[in-house]
Amino acid sequence: DQQVKQNSPSLSVQEGRISILNCDYTNSMFDYFLWYKKYPAEGPTFLISISSIKDKNEDGRFTVFLNKSAKHLSLHIVPSQPGDSAVYFCAPGSSGSARQLTFGSGTQLTVLP
Amino acid sequence: NAGVTQTPKFRILKIGQSMTLQCAQDMNHNYMYWYRQDPGMGLKLIYYSVGAGITDKGEVPNGYNVSRSTTEDFPLRLELAAPSQTSVYFCASSYSAGGYQNEKLFFGSGTQLSVL
Repeated sequence: DQQVKQNSPSLSVQEGRISILNCDYTNSMFDYFLWYKKYPAEGPTFLISISSIKDKNEDGRFTVFLNKSAKHLSLHIVPSQPGDSAVYFCAPGSSGSARQLTFGSGTQLTVLP
Repeated sequence: NAGVTQTPKFRILKIGQSMTLQCAQDMNHNYMYWYRQDPGMGLKLIYYSVGAGITDKGEVPNGYNVSRSTTEDFPLRLELAAPSQTSVYFCASSYSAGGYQNEKLFFGSGTQLSVL
């Protein structure tokens, strides 16, 4: 029973264009959503987050959109840069839950120069 | 500031052997976690701890044990290694679970374990 799905295992975009990474979830108890970025041979690092009381959060080139009714969120990267090439994980959680986050399977983003 | 340190980075075990994956954090975080990542899959929670002396099972605890005698250290023990435990293991820590701003996990660089 996958509570978090990232249906695109991979995505390739040209440098300078927009990258859109998608994530769907089923658990209505999730009330905050994080995105992590992972380079090979490294641990994941926090990228951006959004609370369920918002529908958009922006941090520089990165914007996360949340559609609670559709249980869908997306990460937009504009403009995409070759250094953005990494695996991106969607990771929702429930406030106060010590069990922390539920990770999606990840999307490998490749930004082509 | 070292953050979360995991050792070893790589290890090959034979079936039935045992080993301990070490994890230490220097951020004075109360919460610590062990995840495993199989190829093409997301991270799955093995065990977690909300403070020294307190541990609890995650999603995939079978075949593993943990202890938390200090705030800094959270070792993961494999008693009888099996091929199904071949995976990349990540340790993580966070300040608390009290609200999403604090939920950010800090990860170690991982341990690649192969059981042959």
